[in-house]
Amino acid sequence: DAGVIQSPRHEVTEMGQEVTLRCKPISGHDYLFWYRQTMMRGLELLIYFNNNVPIDDSGMPEDRFSAKMPNASFSTLKIQPSEPRDSAVYFCASSHRVNTGELFFGEGSRLTVL
Amino acid sequence: AQTVTQSQPEMSVQEAETVTLSCTYDTSENNYYLFWYKQPPSRQMILVIRQEAYKQQNATENRFSVNFQKAAKSFSLKISDSQLGDTAMYFCAFGRSFGNEKLTFGTGTRLTIIP
Repeated sequence: DAGVIQSPRHEVTEMGQEVTLRCKPISGHDYLFWYRQTMMRGLELLIYFNNNVPIDDSGMPEDRFSAKMPNASFSTLKIQPSEPRDSAVYFCASSHRVNTGELFFGEGSRLTVL
Repeated sequence: AQTVTQSQPEMSVQEAETVTLSCTYDTSENNYYLFWYKQPPSRQMILVIRQEAYKQQNATENRFSVNFQKAAKSFSLKISDSQLGDTAMYFCAFGRSFGNEKLTFGTGTRLTIIP
């Protein structure tokens, strides 16, 4: 399998612009997670889906952040409008119920908001 | 809510030596999973080792082993015969036993293997 695929790998944008990060989970996995990593706060769970349904979005920082999973093979994380404090590495991860908890991570999307 | 604490922000060790990374956690649950993930400079998180709380035997994976102390809520990672490729951030993580729900991660330990 190709693993979890994220795009873009790097994104530099200006404050106020819309940012869309994309994720393709491993085929057959029924859980999908979005994490954010910063030096100050470490790894934070933003939201996760089970069978394309959002289960817990309590980690989404504010209304500027939204995530969707229109089908089992695709998810997006959108930030509108973006702010400099959103600069971070955003990871997508997927798992399957039989994996006993192991998450498979993508390579991350490094976002820089100027 | 569960919390995971890694009290060593940075560590370094000579190549071929043994190093132990510490992790403690807090939970009221009896059944759960614990993980160590490695994040090399390439950035991708990779599972190193996993421990089920109901198993008394400590997990091992080649040069990697854990010391799981359930009563003390401690879960340390031992790396034997350390190699340059072990240089990375190491994250301890906690997961509930029912379903593949979210993992709670510690703040990480940056390990440097010195040639």
